[in-house]
Amino acid sequence: DQQVKQNSPSLSVQEGRISILNCDYTNSMFDYFLWYKKYPAEGPTFLISISSIKDKNEDGRFTVFLNKSAKHLSLHIVPSQPGDSAVYFCAASEEGSQGNLIFGKGTKLSVKP
Amino acid sequence: NAGVTQTPKFRVLKTGQSMTLLCAQDMNHEYMYWYRQDPGMGLRLIHYSVGEGTTAKGEVPDGYNVSRLKKQNFLLGLESAAPSQTSVYFCASSYSSGRPDTQYFGPGTRLTVL
Repeated sequence: DQQVKQNSPSLSVQEGRISILNCDYTNSMFDYFLWYKKYPAEGPTFLISISSIKDKNEDGRFTVFLNKSAKHLSLHIVPSQPGDSAVYFCAASEEGSQGNLIFGKGTKLSVKP
Repeated sequence: NAGVTQTPKFRVLKTGQSMTLLCAQDMNHEYMYWYRQDPGMGLRLIHYSVGEGTTAKGEVPDGYNVSRLKKQNFLLGLESAAPSQTSVYFCASSYSSGRPDTQYFGPGTRLTVL
């Protein structure tokens, strides 16, 4: 059973608008969450993370929100740019898991000029 | 710093052949990981290592073996390749102490088994 779910396989957004990517998890022991970005034919690159003791973390155009009661997190990109077009993976880990990350299946974001 | 590098970038094997994928990192990371990515499946952990000389099984270890003889290298072996092992393989590494568990990925190896 999937512990990390990204229910939207794809998302299309106009340049300059906000992109919102969602992620749900089932394991209440997860205490650290990460977003990775992946371009075709490249490895995933780390984008932003959030600890469970916070509900928001911001880095430039990227903000991650965490709602622990709903077991839900979201990545907001404002404003969206064509170069943001990529597959975004949500990942989670729990303390004591030796750094093992559980990944969602990814959401393909297309930002149209 | 080269970060995490993987060799080779592409490989085509016939069923039953064997091969070894090499991962190298120059960040002095303790932890290293091997993942596979299949269409619509996200990344799934094959094996991982928490230090030189150690290995452990991940989510999908069957058909693979690994070795970590040197801290900077993590090898993934396929003893008898099967078409189901056609995939893109990613290596990653991370620090060991404390959190966060941010992993840094290599560029991937695309393997096709005929």
